[in-house]
Amino acid sequence: AQTVTQSQPEMSVQEAETVTLSCTYDTSESDYYLFWYKQPPSRQMILVIRQEAYKQQNATENRFSVNFQKAAKSFSLKISDSQLGDAAMYFCAYINVQGAQKLVFGQGTRLTINP
Amino acid sequence: DSGVTQTPKHLITATGQRVTLRCSPRSGDLSVYWYQQSLDQGLQFLIQYYNGEERAKGNILERFSAQQFPDLHSELNLSSLELGDSALYFCASSARQGLYGYTFGSGTRLTVV
Repeated sequence: AQTVTQSQPEMSVQEAETVTLSCTYDTSESDYYLFWYKQPPSRQMILVIRQEAYKQQNATENRFSVNFQKAAKSFSLKISDSQLGDAAMYFCAYINVQGAQKLVFGQGTRLTINP
Repeated sequence: DSGVTQTPKHLITATGQRVTLRCSPRSGDLSVYWYQQSLDQGLQFLIQYYNGEERAKGNILERFSAQQFPDLHSELNLSSLELGDSALYFCASSARQGLYGYTFGSGTRLTVV
């Protein structure tokens, strides 16, 4: 079974600075997708960014970018120019292309933005 | 508004009782997923339906059951409730494979007292 590990339960960063959240995953599959979801205090789950495993180019969405290292099974999220509204729980998630296609989530990293 | 509607938003009930959580997926989505999030925990997959049929099952307790109806809305039934069942229950929906990610509802906060 696939597993997703987020080794940083909590992170903090100064407003306007850059922070990187770590994620590793375990799979024997070669074709899959990876995601970062944000859960602010409202508890709503919001999709931040998506990466296709067969694409070498790292995905970017405005201030959010990823560092995808397929061989190392690593998928980190970089937030540039951190803003107060970025404070949230961030979840890394994995889904297979084949088979039972359910999202598997990591345990989350709580990000605090210091003004 | 994500397009996925969950009702009720909050539910307080006593141990031993039974409750039903309801979810209407985003228009056009055929897949519905249920997840449980206990306090400050990750999301645990419970069950998936696709166009009315059960497709995948996670660590769902025998006291829990779900179904997806012909109009594609889904219900999660929780019975013989225990204090440990207190959690946030999310419904999500996706197009067929979910490879573009899921769209989540705002969740139902269940408190068992």
